Amino acid sequence: DQQVKQNSPSLSVQEGRISILNCDYTNSMFDYFLWYKKYPAEGPTFLISISSIKDKNEDGRFTVFLNKSAKHLSLHIVPSQPGDSAVYFCAALMNNNAGNMLTFGGGTRLMVKP
Amino acid sequence: DGGITQSPKYLFRKEGQNVTLSCEQNLNHDAMYWYRQDPGQGLRLIYYSQIVNDFQKGDIAEGYSVSREKKESFPLTVTSAQKNPTAFYLCASSDSFGGYTFGSGTRLTVV
Repeated sequence: DQQVKQNSPSLSVQEGRISILNCDYTNSMFDYFLWYKKYPAEGPTFLISISSIKDKNEDGRFTVFLNKSAKHLSLHIVPSQPGDSAVYFCAALMNNNAGNMLTFGGGTRLMVKP
Repeated sequence: DGGITQSPKYLFRKEGQNVTLSCEQNLNHDAMYWYRQDPGQGLRLIYYSQIVNDFQKGDIAEGYSVSREKKESFPLTVTSAQKNPTAFYLCASSDSFGGYTFGSGTRLTVV
């Protein structure tokens, strides 16, 4: 059973508008949540993260919101730029006896149109 | 500069052959991981290693094998037992705080 889900496989947004990418999780033991950006045939690059004890983290055009009661987080990109077009993965980190394990969602392909 | 190197970038294999994907890191990270990405799917964990000479199966380990003889190296062998080996393979390492670094990936195609 998937512990981290991204229900929207794709999202299309006009340049300059806001992009909102959503992610849901089931395991309340996750310690951190992270967003990664991935271009084709490349490894994911870290974008922004949020601790499970916070509800918002902002870094420039990127803001991540966490709603623990709903087990939901979202990534807001504003304003969106054509260079933001990529696949975005939500990931959850748990620190347990097995170490720091990342669980990924299925990804959302963002397309920002000029 | 520290990082993770995966080689080769593209790899072709005949059906029934084993093939080994290389992953080297100079970040001094103890933990290393192998993920597989298929179109429309997220990254699924194949194997991971928290320390030298130790490794554990991930969610989809069947048909794969690994070794961790050195801290810097975590090669992945895709065996002939893997039914659907064509995929994009990503290697990663993490520090003690859970900060992950990913390699640039290897695209394996079975012909």
